[in-house]
Parts: sequence; C-alpha cells; structure tokens
Amino acid sequence: SQELEQSPQSLIVQEGKNLTINCTSSKTLYGLYWYKQKYGEGLIFLMMLQKGGEEKSHEKITAKLDEKKQQSSLHITASQPSHAGIYLCGAVPGGSNYKLTFGKGTLLTVNP
Amino acid sequence: EAQVTQNPRYLITVTGKKLTVTCSQNMNHEYMSWYRQDPGLGLRQIYYSMNVEVTDKGDVPEGYKVSRKEKRNFPLILESPSPNQTSLYFCASSPWVTGTGANVLTFGAGSRLTVL
Repeated sequence: SQELEQSPQSLIVQEGKNLTINCTSSKTLYGLYWYKQKYGEGLIFLMMLQKGGEEKSHEKITAKLDEKKQQSSLHITASQPSHAGIYLCGAVPGGSNYKLTFGKGTLLTVNP
Repeated sequence: EAQVTQNPRYLITVTGKKLTVTCSQNMNHEYMSWYRQDPGLGLRQIYYSMNVEVTDKGDVPEGYKVSRKEKRNFPLILESPSPNQTSLYFCASSPWVTGTGANVLTFGAGSRLTVL
C-alpha cells in the first residue's frame, strides 16, 4: 500500500514566519491532496495537485508537486495564528481514485 | 448547505454493546468512506463505498460493518465494541470523478467514541 511520510511531525513558529511542510511517497503520486484539521474537528480541503511540477496557491498557502510526483511541499508565508492546526497530505495510489490514503499529519502551532 | 452529517458527535459506551454511527450527505455523492483517527497512527480508512450496495474494505475493517442501502446514507456499525475501537471517527463523501485521480473528499465533523 502507498505510504506517505510527512515532516516535520510538529512545528512551532512565531507569527509572521514562513514555514514548509513536506509529504513524501515511495511511489508515484496520482493526485496529491492537502487538508487542514483543527484539533478534534473535521478536515477541510485546501488544494489538489495532479501534474508533475504543478503549483497552486490560495491566500498565503502554496503547494507544489515535484516533477517526479513523489514529493509535495506546503509553504505558508507570513504565518498567522489562524494557520494553526494539523496539516495532512492524502494521495490516491496507483492511479485508482477509489482509495485515498493519508499521512500522519503535521501539527502546526503559531505563537502570537 | 452542502455537508456530511455524522451522529452522534460524542458517545461513551461499554464493551459489547452494539452501536451505530450514522452518516448522511446531501451532495448526491457516489462515493462515501469511513476513517478513524488515532494519535500517532493518523487517519486510517475503515470501509468505503463506490455506490449503492457496493462496499469494500479499507485498511482497518476488523470489528466494523457498513451498509449502503441509499445513496445519501452510510452508517458504521460496531456489533460488539471493544476498548481498542475508542477513536475519533470521520465519514467523508466525494463525487468520485472516474479516471482522473480526482477524489476530493468532504468530511463530517467527526464522532468521538469511547468504549469502556
């Protein structure tokens, strides 16, 4: 089965700082999804990447999928307390779209 | 409002007492799925359904049952709950766009289950 490794597991930053979260797979990623979860709550969809080299941005969050489609990064510029939460990457293994597997998540704390 | 609704949101029960967590979506989605989330283990898929009457096992199906008699509902059944099923459960749905790799899930708010 496809396994997704996220790093770091947790991150504490000062408000205003930039940060990057990585998601790495041993297999080619066919559809890479980023979600955000506030502690104990449901997951909110952020972005989906499908093509090698693809990059998407929404407000201060940018996600990229590398050319080989085995690693994705999520970059937050000028972090704010509202960015705090758990970020999870999810991927569809082997070109099938019936099963979405998730990494274990990165816990982000933003100190004011 | 388009949403996935789970009930109950919180439940404390005892070992062996059958329970059902309901899940309903109002988006006419084909695909529905159940996940459990545990510290250090992340989000793991229990069961999923591609359509009415079509279900399949995820990564951790032991101890769970599901049914998909109607498109909008996908209940999770614990016939004889045990303490290792104490977890945070999420239901999710998707329009399931075939062949594109696109399967954006909409998640419910979660159901926190404690089995004593």
